[in-house]
Amino acid sequence: EAQVTQNPRYLITVTGKKLTVTCSQNMNHEYMSWYRQDPGLGLRQIYYSMNVEVTDKGDVPEGYKVSRKEKRNFPLILESPSPNQTSLYFCASSRDAYEQYFGPGTRLTVT
Amino acid sequence: DAKTTQPPSMDCAEGRAANLPCNHSTISGNEYVYWYRQIHSQGPQYIIHGLKNNETNEMASLIITEDRKSSTLILPHATLRDTAVYYCIVRSYYNAGNMLTFGGGTRLMVKP
Repeated sequence: EAQVTQNPRYLITVTGKKLTVTCSQNMNHEYMSWYRQDPGLGLRQIYYSMNVEVTDKGDVPEGYKVSRKEKRNFPLILESPSPNQTSLYFCASSRDAYEQYFGPGTRLTVT
Repeated sequence: DAKTTQPPSMDCAEGRAANLPCNHSTISGNEYVYWYRQIHSQGPQYIIHGLKNNETNEMASLIITEDRKSSTLILPHATLRDTAVYYCIVRSYYNAGNMLTFGGGTRLMVKP
């Protein structure tokens, strides 16, 4: 089954404790993105990748890092999480500009 | 990317067609109309897209007016599982980061 998986689905952590949210897709897609969704602000892109070893900033990259060492994986790293990074995070992948596949989401709470 | 305007909410009876409108009066010639939906905090799901012709797939139909300033997404036989927020997005094919910008969307409630 074609899918994008994210782990963990839920995470509660404390300020400053480094964390990684994993994202994996099994469709051999070139494009992958990370978004965050906050009430009243819609979906905002954090980082994207157009292929292995090619990443770039989206609209809200501050406080986040990503890497793309393999085509299928695109982890999101928060080196020193802060409460304003409490959000619902989605990973997405696509082969082209038409149809993007989204993961199930990771709900992160930073206290 | 062009801005879109959608009604904040709509109701539809189960089994009836749901017609969701979207205004995009500033759309430019190379911009596509995309529809996604999000069911209660799940990941957004692609529904359909079009440039100028009407489009149909197994999920829905997309009707784009001749001047391309508005469009309608049609779910032909709405079910309770179609209750979701529906987003109309207008963007060009070539977009840095393949980014999607979601606005407020229309909250569709399908009622028995």
